[in-house]
Amino acid sequence: DAGVTQSPTHLIKTRGQHVTLRCSPISGHKSVSWYQQVLGQGPQFIFQYYEKEERGRGNFPDRFSARQFPNYSSELNVNALLLGDSALYLCASSSGGGTFHEQYFGPGTRLTVT
Amino acid sequence: QQQVKQSPQSLIVQKGGISIINCAYENTAFDYFPWYQQFPGKGPALLIAIRPDVSEKKEGRFTISFNKSAKQFSLHIMDSQPGDSATYFCAASRTNAGKSTFGDGTTLTVKP
Repeated sequence: DAGVTQSPTHLIKTRGQHVTLRCSPISGHKSVSWYQQVLGQGPQFIFQYYEKEERGRGNFPDRFSARQFPNYSSELNVNALLLGDSALYLCASSSGGGTFHEQYFGPGTRLTVT
Repeated sequence: QQQVKQSPQSLIVQKGGISIINCAYENTAFDYFPWYQQFPGKGPALLIAIRPDVSEKKEGRFTISFNKSAKQFSLHIMDSQPGDSATYFCAASRTNAGKSTFGDGTTLTVKP
């Protein structure tokens, strides 16, 4: 069984640009959560989506947005990139239906903003 | 406000020794406490998790001890092996919440 997949693996962007990160959850999982992991810190919650609806949002600026598609895959968009947005962006999937807390993480997308 | 505090930041253990990592939380609404293992260049992998209705959970060489009154929990790795060298994160969440709050991680090095 394929786990959570994320693309691209690595990305280099310039300040002010925008970026789109993609995530495909484990087959059968209907919920996706996004996290930002800055070097040397634990992951910080950004968004959770379930059945295409936003179910939770962390303390991130409006430059961050996300959406979920009918096939349960998800995109994270970040506009007007800042140097501080450089991080590993992690996607976690869960099946939903009472088990949102059991999250399985993908390998992440390493974003570098120069 | 950091709701989950993890210590130590780094840990060096000899092969065969016991590794102990501690976490403390503040929000008493948390009722699910997982531990994750992360290797360089990889995402966190769920290792073991516990709920506050039990004081200990063991899976193989990994044991979680939980102290509800102190709002603390810890991970014990018995017979530590070089392959256990990784960064370990504790986390806390509420049941059925898709948001986990993580500690800042412990880098474990097991020397052969």
